Order: sequence, then structure tokens, then C-alpha cells
Amino acid sequence: GAGVSQSPSNKVTEKGKDVELRCDPISGHTALYWYRQSLGQGLEFLIYFQGNSAPDKSGLPSDRFSAERTGGSVSTLTIQRTQQEDSAVYLCASSRGQSGNTIYFGEGSWLTVV
Amino acid sequence: QKEVEQNSGPLSVPEGAIASLNCTYSDRVSQSFFWYRQYSGKSPELIMSIYSNGDKEDGRFTAQLNKASQYVSLLIRDSQPSDSATYLCAVSLLYNQGGKLIFGQGTELSVKP
Repeated sequence: GAGVSQSPSNKVTEKGKDVELRCDPISGHTALYWYRQSLGQGLEFLIYFQGNSAPDKSGLPSDRFSAERTGGSVSTLTIQRTQQEDSAVYLCASSRGQSGNTIYFGEGSWLTVV
Repeated sequence: QKEVEQNSGPLSVPEGAIASLNCTYSDRVSQSFFWYRQYSGKSPELIMSIYSNGDKEDGRFTAQLNKASQYVSLLIRDSQPSDSATYLCAVSLLYNQGGKLIFGQGTELSVKP
């Protein structure tokens, strides 16, 4: 597609429920990133996929968070047993994958846990 | 110590003035440096990238990099109210051939008419 596509754009869920957030990167981009941004805060790195390499999961805040990338394209971020502190915008981004390449962000998935 | 640090602001400048935004980073092997602009409720968009020491100019924007001091800055000349946004500094830590990007917390800029 023309840009990074994320869905859903908004999600309200009850505490304790699981949620899945989807990201469709720009066609041909081998690198895919997930970031989290809480209200008024900077971007918190969560996970990074580069081609067929093992993902860098060093930013995942707990074992309730997981992500996968199927076929080197679409990615799903799963949050199990959601907590109120998980409320944030989840931003996906993609790039051509070489160091220094520009990364392009999607519009984000706004998650509210009530 | 945070990997990428910025003053959170807000930084307020009058229209037409120069806005100066600063960023320091902790990892000496960092190779690539970026400035992103984020309007309220929107996703970040790239303004400038810089990879070598010195200045890089693009229109009203100038990025400055000093790897010895681990310091990168962004100057905005002739600031406009439309420049009011949060500016995010980002640093790429070499990871294989990829570009894991670490962001600072952002500096809020307000340009007053």
C-alpha cells in the first residue's frame, strides 16, 4: 500500500481482555517496528523485525506482550490480560531495513483499557 | 541514564525567531540521527536525518551533529506558528544491518504569533 496501515484505529477494551493490533507495512519494506506512546510521552520501543532475522524483543514490557510477523509482511501485536496502564497509542512503522533508512509511521492504534 | 535525552519544554519562541532544540545520546556507536515532528494527535513525520559531524541544512531547518560530544540539535529559522509541535530526536543503534531507532521524550515547541 501507499503507507503503513494499522487497525483498529481505536479500541476500547475491558481490563483482563486480550487485544490484537494489526500492522500492514509499506510494500517492499523489510523492517517493521512497534512503538508505544502514552499520553504526553515519547515513543517507547517495543519490538523490531528485520527480514528473516530473530526479532529484537528487548522493549516488550512484560510477557503479556507478544508480536509476530507472518510472511515477512503483516504484523500482529497481542496484549494479553490487558491492564489500565496498557492504555496508549501503539504505533507501527516500517523501513527498507538498512541502518539509517527513514522509517515511516502508521497513524496508530489508540487503545483504552477500562 | 536514558539513551536519548531531550528537554521536554515547552519551548516558546516568537514568530520569526530561531528555535533551537537539543538532544544528547548515550551510545557512542550510534550511527544515524533523526528529527521527527509530531503534531498533537498525529503520528511522527521525519524532518531531517544526519549521519556525519557538522551541519546539514534543508530549507528553514538545520541539523547539527557532534559525535565527540554525543550531541545533536535542530535549528528552525524564521519560526512559524505552524511549526508548533513536539519534536522528537531519534538515534539509530547499529543492529546487524538494521536500524533499531531509539527516541527521546520530545520537546514541545510553541511559536507565538
